[in-house]
Amino acid sequence: AQSVTQLDSQVPVFEEAPVELRCNYSSSVSVYLFWYVQYPNQGLQLLLKYLSGSTLVESINGFEAEFNKSQTSFHLRKPSVHISDTAEYFCAVRGDTGGFKTIFGAGTRLFVKA
Amino acid sequence: GAGVSQSPRYKVAKRGQDVALRCDPISGHVSLFWYQQALGQGPEFLTYFQNEAQLDKSGLPSDRFFAERPEGSVSTLKIQRTQQEDSAVYLCASSSSSYEQYFGPGTRLTVT
Repeated sequence: AQSVTQLDSQVPVFEEAPVELRCNYSSSVSVYLFWYVQYPNQGLQLLLKYLSGSTLVESINGFEAEFNKSQTSFHLRKPSVHISDTAEYFCAVRGDTGGFKTIFGAGTRLFVKA
Repeated sequence: GAGVSQSPRYKVAKRGQDVALRCDPISGHVSLFWYQQALGQGPEFLTYFQNEAQLDKSGLPSDRFFAERPEGSVSTLKIQRTQQEDSAVYLCASSSSSYEQYFGPGTRLTVT
């Protein structure tokens, strides 16, 4: 079984500042890892994913996440945030050995202030 | 193209009533997922279909919850004898690869 912990429920940050949203997971098998984003009044959408290969993955809008197997973490970072990045971010995990059950964290609300 | 659609968007039910929530996945997507999202929480897995086969229903909280996808496209989540603890947003997602899931807008169920 897998579980996901998002350590911060809310992260307020000023525009153009860097941000890190933390995610730790536990699993007895190898995993696939995901970050989903939910903008206000919109549905969840995939931001980035780690399946295999390079441990650093990037999104098209400047976010990146690094898979750290020894620390069982998949933290999300952006060097300079915009007002438009204000949203709820969910970390998710799925085991890679059969099964399709995806476990989501409780979410981190990123609030970017001008 | 059209995304995942869900209906109704909002549903108010009196305790004890049965409800049916509909999901129209993206055309051609083999995989379909249902999640329950309580206020302030992340989505919680309920069940998974591959075409018409329900391969995992381990997340359904009780035997009052039932899901079907008879022709491998549209899916219905049915909740019998609704209880107040069933109040939540019910999300449907579909996928062609089982990695990236495309989510619908959800149905907000309120049980009074």
